[in-house]
Amino acid sequence: GAGVSQSPSNKVTEKGKDVELRCDPISGHTALYWYRQSLGQGLEFLIYFQGNSAPDKSGLPSDRFSAERTGGSVSTLTIQRTQQEDSAVYLCASSLSGTDTQYFGPGTRLTVL
Amino acid sequence: EDQVTQSPEALRLQEGESSSLNCSYTVSGLRGLFWYRQDPGKGPEFLFTLYSAGEEKEKERLKATLTKKESFLHITAPKPEDSATYLCAGGGTGNQFYFGTGTSLTVIP
Repeated sequence: GAGVSQSPSNKVTEKGKDVELRCDPISGHTALYWYRQSLGQGLEFLIYFQGNSAPDKSGLPSDRFSAERTGGSVSTLTIQRTQQEDSAVYLCASSLSGTDTQYFGPGTRLTVL
Repeated sequence: EDQVTQSPEALRLQEGESSSLNCSYTVSGLRGLFWYRQDPGKGPEFLFTLYSAGEEKEKERLKATLTKKESFLHITAPKPEDSATYLCAGGGTGNQFYFGTGTSLTVIP
């Protein structure tokens, strides 16, 4: 079946602009994660959705970052007033439940000029 | 503090030269140790999940093992196409996953 998809694959924006990144998880997966991966760094946890429960937002680096998950499926990560330090690859992963293997999308490479 | 540490950071092997990658973890209530492969410009690709000490899993030239403190990814007779970054992650309590920073493997023909 189809894997996790993300769009856009690349996004170049100017400092101060808002951006939206989209994630389509594997059908039937109730858990969805967002991570950030900077060059030479490990995966930084951002936010976690599980079913209809309140999301775990403990990894969001500032209040400029927010995420939604509509209908328990598609998720959007929004970064407001982007800064150059937001430049990174943003990865989305989904799993059957919060304790299962995560399957990753191809990522969105964000460049803030 | 829960964390996962991988070593070495980078490894260069000749084709056919077997070696092992290390993943040391201190994760409370570990409920799974996960290995991924990541190619440049792509998302991590799932390889293995190990759940208990002594468990082993194999796939082609790769074998993953788990003890109470660390996991190893053994690569037997590697080929150039095995070149990638290998990530490990520990699943902790709740929904937390702790990722290491990866080992960048280069296999030279």
